[in-house]
Amino acid sequence: EPEVTQTPSHQVTQMGQEVILRCVPISNHLYFYWYRQILGQKVEFLVSFYNNEISEKSEIFDDQFSVERPDGSNFTLKIRSTKLEDSAMYFCASRTMGNEQFFGPGTRLTVL
Amino acid sequence: SQQGEEDPQALSIQEGENATMNCSYKTSINNLQWYRQNSGRGLVHLILIRSNEREKHSGRLRVTLDTSKKSSSLLITASRAADTASYFCATRGATNKLIFGTGTLLAVQP
Repeated sequence: EPEVTQTPSHQVTQMGQEVILRCVPISNHLYFYWYRQILGQKVEFLVSFYNNEISEKSEIFDDQFSVERPDGSNFTLKIRSTKLEDSAMYFCASRTMGNEQFFGPGTRLTVL
Repeated sequence: SQQGEEDPQALSIQEGENATMNCSYKTSINNLQWYRQNSGRGLVHLILIRSNEREKHSGRLRVTLDTSKKSSSLLITASRAADTASYFCATRGATNKLIFGTGTLLAVQP
């Protein structure tokens, strides 16, 4: 069964460093999302992406964040200068025209 | 903004018993979805109920939706130890993003 994959599973970085989180959505999906979950808290929407552009973003998704679909398969989230409060699980999701979003296993980001 | 709140926050039951979790939200929705998350893992989609539906079944899962009360419930019948996980409701409104609730941590004791 097709699934969303994410790499790495765990990323440790120093405050101020740039990180790129990678996702491979399901191949025929058209809509892509990033969510994050700070430990013990809700899953929060960050950004949605369709037709090679951002369709919606939350207040969390400030200028430090960017997304890209550099080729036909990858979907990346870049954090330019990480802060301690960026430590969280980051989930990628994708969907077709239907409503169900398929989530990846997540990348645990730890900012020291 | 939409906000899903689940109750109870934690639920502990014996294997074979039924588990009921509730979710409330604040604004109008297009659909409501339930997800399961095993500790430290990703989100697994369980079931989706549209705003014009009142009840839906999938295997041992039964979901109800009351749009007048802005609430939903998830019932897991004949629970198993493998059902131990966190369960989240997520609402989708006019846009495509999902707004997640706070989750219910279910522990099924063997």
